[in-house]
Amino acid sequence: AQKVTQAQTEISVVEKEDVTLDCVYETRDTTYYLFWYKQPPSGELVFLIRRNSFDEQNEISGRYSWNFQKSTSSFNFTITASQVVDSAVYFCALSERGDNFNKFYFGSGTKLNVKP
Amino acid sequence: GAVVSQHPSWVICKSGTSVKIECRSLDFQATTMFWYRQFPKQSLMLMATSNEGSKATYEQGVEKDKFLINHASLTLSTLTVTSAHPEDSSFYICSARDSGQVFREFFGPGTRLTVL
Repeated sequence: AQKVTQAQTEISVVEKEDVTLDCVYETRDTTYYLFWYKQPPSGELVFLIRRNSFDEQNEISGRYSWNFQKSTSSFNFTITASQVVDSAVYFCALSERGDNFNKFYFGSGTKLNVKP
Repeated sequence: GAVVSQHPSWVICKSGTSVKIECRSLDFQATTMFWYRQFPKQSLMLMATSNEGSKATYEQGVEKDKFLINHASLTLSTLTVTSAHPEDSSFYICSARDSGQVFREFFGPGTRLTVL
């Protein structure tokens, strides 16, 4: 079974639009971490955020915000006023205490296209 | 900030040859490093966990005799693809976990392998 599901394969928006990337996860662990990474065309993963399972506070960092809801096992990522430079593939990932946090389970990724 | 490097960044080789990819943590010690493989337009899949001074732990379905991993020091892990075939062509990404920090893991920029 897929531990991390990113149902949106590809999203296209026009610059300045807001966009939300969905992430749903599945785990039996009570202690786990969730991540978001950005992968531009160069291929290098860029770390965006790490959130532990005990911290459900939403977070905002500039144009980026994250909504963590344990009740729905979701960790969604919103980009406000999108820019062309936001175009990339975005991955959500899960790491569980049961694996001693030794594994990252990545979702299939969402490709975001921001058009000028 | 912490940096993880990979060398080479890209390599083209003939079928049947072996290719070695290096992963280095540049300003921290990494007891544990991880190797991922990413096929085009797909997610990252963990191949193996590399532990300094001991044998690597391979994920199910990954041939340990084909993908040789050596973690000889706290700053270097190598992945050798032996007798490479075209189906081994992929993007290989390593990550390194900072031994001195709680759950700090950094990804390398990746190595693109093309086997002709």
